[in-house]
Amino acid sequence: QVQLQESGPGLVKPSQTLSLTCTVSGGSISSGDYYWTWIRQPPGKGLEWIGYIYYSGSTYYNPSLKSRVTISLDTSKSQFSLKLSSVTAADTAVYYCASFNWNYNWFDPWGQGTLVTVSS
Amino acid sequence: QSALTQPPSASGSPGQSVTISCTGTSSDVGGYNYVSWYQQHPGKAPKLMIYEVSKRPSGVPDRFSGSKSGNTASLTVSGLQAEDEADYYCSSYAGSNHYVFGTGTKVTVL
Repeated sequence: QVQLQESGPGLVKPSQTLSLTCTVSGGSISSGDYYWTWIRQPPGKGLEWIGYIYYSGSTYYNPSLKSRVTISLDTSKSQFSLKLSSVTAADTAVYYCASFNWNYNWFDPWGQGTLVTVSS
Repeated sequence: QSALTQPPSASGSPGQSVTISCTGTSSDVGGYNYVSWYQQHPGKAPKLMIYEVSKRPSGVPDRFSGSKSGNTASLTVSGLQAEDEADYYCSSYAGSNHYVFGTGTKVTVL
């Protein structure tokens, strides 16, 4: 069973770059069945799809965040990463990594999520 | 892409049924049979409940069912139980390898 775990700083200053990593275990990050996904949830609000990356390196981003987002893959470490630049308080959220299985068009499983607060 | 519209809240007594709507456009919900539903308990990660409009993953009770008509998808929880009290989110493919989530619905078991 694939399992995912987010890691990274819990506090980021405004205008800086938010960086998170998701470690994949129990399955191959190079599997063609999955798109490796980032999703976020501001406190008390709904879910927002940020984007995902395929094992080939192809990336797809939410148009509203595209200018600030980079998702990358490190197959040697079985990890994928999120970078979000020029952050503001509006980027404060719980960030989840998840696997998207295109065979079933579902997001499953998800990591436990990590809260990132943007504050000086 | 705009978030899909869900009612903020829904409720029912134990044993009753509750239906949650998820309204989008012909560019997302109405254009593809790729709607999924997720249950989220407080402080927890979302859990997949329904995929491809009406299919249930292994382990999800058959009390949960999904459907779609036009630009609106629906999730019905029959035989409500206390553990069904949670937030529910829909998600839909929106074309060009993009996805969008719903605004979320809080289900209360009275």
